[in-house]
This record gives sequence, C-alpha cells and structure tokens, in this order.
Amino acid sequence: GAGVSQSPSNKVTEKGKDVELRCDPISGHTALYWYRQSLGQGLEFLIYFQGNSAPDKSGLPSDRFSAERTGGSVSTLTIQRTQQEDSAVYLCASSLSAVQNTEAFFGQGTRLTVV
Amino acid sequence: SQQGEEDPQALSIQEGENATMNCSYKTSINNLQWYRQNSGRGLVHLILIRSNEREKHSGRLRVTLDTSKKSSSLLITASRAADTASYFCATKETSGSRLTFGEGTQLTVNP
Repeated sequence: GAGVSQSPSNKVTEKGKDVELRCDPISGHTALYWYRQSLGQGLEFLIYFQGNSAPDKSGLPSDRFSAERTGGSVSTLTIQRTQQEDSAVYLCASSLSAVQNTEAFFGQGTRLTVV
Repeated sequence: SQQGEEDPQALSIQEGENATMNCSYKTSINNLQWYRQNSGRGLVHLILIRSNEREKHSGRLRVTLDTSKKSSSLLITASRAADTASYFCATKETSGSRLTFGEGTQLTVNP
C-alpha cells in the first residue's frame, strides 16, 4: 500500500474485554513501532520490531499488553482485560531500518475507548 | 521520563511571524527528527538532522542541533495559519534503535 494502514480507526470496548489492533506497514520496511498517545500528551513508546531480531518490549506498560509481527510484515497489538486507563490513540509507524538514519512513517492511529 | 522535551508547551503567534520551538534530550543520539501532528492523529516527518550536522534547512524550516548542550531548535519562518499543529522532536539513541518522542509544542498561528 501507499502508506501505513491501521485498523480499526476507532474501537469502543467494555472494560475487561480483549482488543486487537492491527498495523500494516509500508512494504519493505523492516522496522515497526507502536506508540500510545493520551489526549494532549506526547507519544509513549510501547514496542518495536526490527527484521528478525528480538523485539524491544521495554515500553509495554503491563503484561496485559503484547504484540506480534508475523512474517516481518503485519503487526497486531493485543490488550487483554482492558481498563479505562488504556483509552488512548494507538499509533503504528514503520521505517526502512531502525538503525540507519531514516524517517518513520505513521499510520492514522486507532482511537481506543474503554467504557 | 521522556528523552525529548519540547519548549514551550504552547505557542501562539500571528501569521507572518516566525515560530521557534526547542527540544532538549538526555543521551547520545544518532539523529534528531522533527514531526508534525494535526488533530491528534498520524504524525508527518518534517526533517532529520544527523548528530554530525549543526544546521539543516527545508523550505521554511530551519533546524539546529547542539550536541554539546543536547538541544535542538525548529524555526518556522513566515508562518501561516495552516502551520497550526503540534510539533514533536524525536531522538534515535546511539545505544539502541528506539525512536523516542517528547511531549510536543502546540503551535497556533492566528490569521
């Protein structure tokens, strides 16, 4: 595709339910990032994938959060037993390489609301 | 705490004026990048400056980097109402590949 695609655009879920957020990076991009942004705040790093290397999961806020990247392409961020404080916009970005001096391209995000 | 911290948090100017935003960071970096965000959704890359560069220009944008002070500035000249957005700096640390963002500066350009 032409850019990073995230789905769904918006998700409303009940507290305690699990949610899956999807990210389709730009074809050929080996690095993929997930961030979380609360209203009016900066971007909180969650996790990044680089090729076949072990992902950097150091930003995941709790063990309710997990992410996968299958076949080096599509990534899914899963939040189990959602809480109200999980409400935020979840942003995905990809870049040609996480090591070299390349820019990151962002999707439009998934706005998650936990009620 | 965030690697990058922008200053000021909010800036309001008149169309035609210049806007300057600053960013400070804590660790050694490979590069520093500036992004723009409209309406709380996806970010758009503006400019990247490498750690061995001191100044870079792109259209009405001018970025400086002072690695001794661990700071950068973004200057937008002859601002337009359409420049109204949030601006974030992001750093790529030498010790890893994480791209870390600051809290951002909300710029409002009044017509």
